Amino acid sequence: EAQVTQNPRYLITVTGKKLTVTCSQNMNHEYMSWYRQDPGLGLRQIYYSMNVEVTDKGDVPEGYKVSRKEKRNFPLILESPSPNQTSLYFCASSLSGGQPQHFGDGTRLSIL
Amino acid sequence: QKEVEQNSGPLSVPEGAIASLNCTYSDRGSQSFFWYRQYSGKSPELIMFIYSNGDKEDGRFTAQLNKASQYVSLLIRDSQPSDSATYLCAVNKRGFKTIFGAGTRLFVKA
Repeated sequence: EAQVTQNPRYLITVTGKKLTVTCSQNMNHEYMSWYRQDPGLGLRQIYYSMNVEVTDKGDVPEGYKVSRKEKRNFPLILESPSPNQTSLYFCASSLSGGQPQHFGDGTRLSIL
Repeated sequence: QKEVEQNSGPLSVPEGAIASLNCTYSDRGSQSFFWYRQYSGKSPELIMFIYSNGDKEDGRFTAQLNKASQYVSLLIRDSQPSDSATYLCAVNKRGFKTIFGAGTRLFVKA
């Protein structure tokens, strides 16, 4: 089954404790992206990747890191999480940039 | 001015009516346009995509794109209560960044 898998689905943690949210897709997609969704603000792109080792900033990259060492994986790293990063996060992938995206089920992060 | 703007709604229509959702964008270089549906607590799912000016129909859904006026719309014919959701307009800029609107909440009353 074609899918984008994110883990964990839920996480409550404390300020400053490094965390990683994993994202994996099994569709051989080149384009992968991370979004955060906050009430009234819609989905905002954090980082995207056009292919292995090619990443670029979206609209809200501050406080986040990503890497794309393999085509199927695109982890999101919060090195020193802060409460303003409490949000619902989605990973998505598409065949290439400009194509429809498939979304993971989301990760709800709470940073206390 | 937001890069992608949608009326937040809520838009309320009776069952069987046509629901019309609108979206405007600011970057004239935008090339790909998408409508996603998101139910509460779920991830967005693709409804329609359109790349060229004009209309594109798929079942009860029609996407309309007017690049000169920089707007894209989604028509839902014969609206059903199961269509009640938030509809997200998304615009991709030259294959790179994707910008989403804040979404329009649609209620279809039985």
